[in-house]
Amino acid sequence: AQSVSQHNHHVILSEAASLELGCNYSYGGTVNLFWYVQYPGQHLQLLLKYFSGDPLVKGIKGFEAEFIKSKFSFNLRKPSVQWSDTAEYFCAGIYNTDKLIFGTGTRLQVFP
Amino acid sequence: DTGVSQDPRHKITKRGQNVTFRCDPISEHNRLYWYRQTLGQGPEFLTYFQNEAQLEKSRLLSDRFSAERPKGSFSTLEIQRTEQGDSAMYLCASSPSRAGSAKNIQYFGAGTRLSVL
Repeated sequence: AQSVSQHNHHVILSEAASLELGCNYSYGGTVNLFWYVQYPGQHLQLLLKYFSGDPLVKGIKGFEAEFIKSKFSFNLRKPSVQWSDTAEYFCAGIYNTDKLIFGTGTRLQVFP
Repeated sequence: DTGVSQDPRHKITKRGQNVTFRCDPISEHNRLYWYRQTLGQGPEFLTYFQNEAQLEKSRLLSDRFSAERPKGSFSTLEIQRTEQGDSAMYLCASSPSRAGSAKNIQYFGAGTRLSVL
């Protein structure tokens, strides 16, 4: 079955620490991958996307993600987090239809 | 504001009542999606429209749920005879359907939070 999984449910970091959030997708043919972020009280916003080409994609606010086909992974990274990065992060994929399949999300808390 | 808008933001209802939510997509987007998100989970797909045509429905969408997009613009999601298990955040998203990379980017509204007592 087509699925997306996120390993880290809750991550706590201090400001300036590096971040890596795991995301794995199941095999199911061509897949487009996304990271969305949901700040407290706000709607889901697109951070970055991967359709094809360069497997290292850069998004907004200094985030990047790397598509590793051999590992079925699309981990999100940021070298130095800020308090304002506190939010919930969702990895999602689109396979052969137009519906997004989401992971369960990772709640990130950043302390000053 | 030219984003996806949803109304109401919050709805509290008693079990057995009917509720209806509205979604207004970004004006030039002809695809519209409904998702449901429960606590501790990611959003789950319910259904989507291309213009006024409903193209796919999830098995999550029981007979008590119905969605419409009568003129290919706004959409409504109705839940009849609500149950406590229907309590969730209902999210709407829209996307363009032109060819190219923009096709698959979905833009989300703030959601309608339903509480069934």
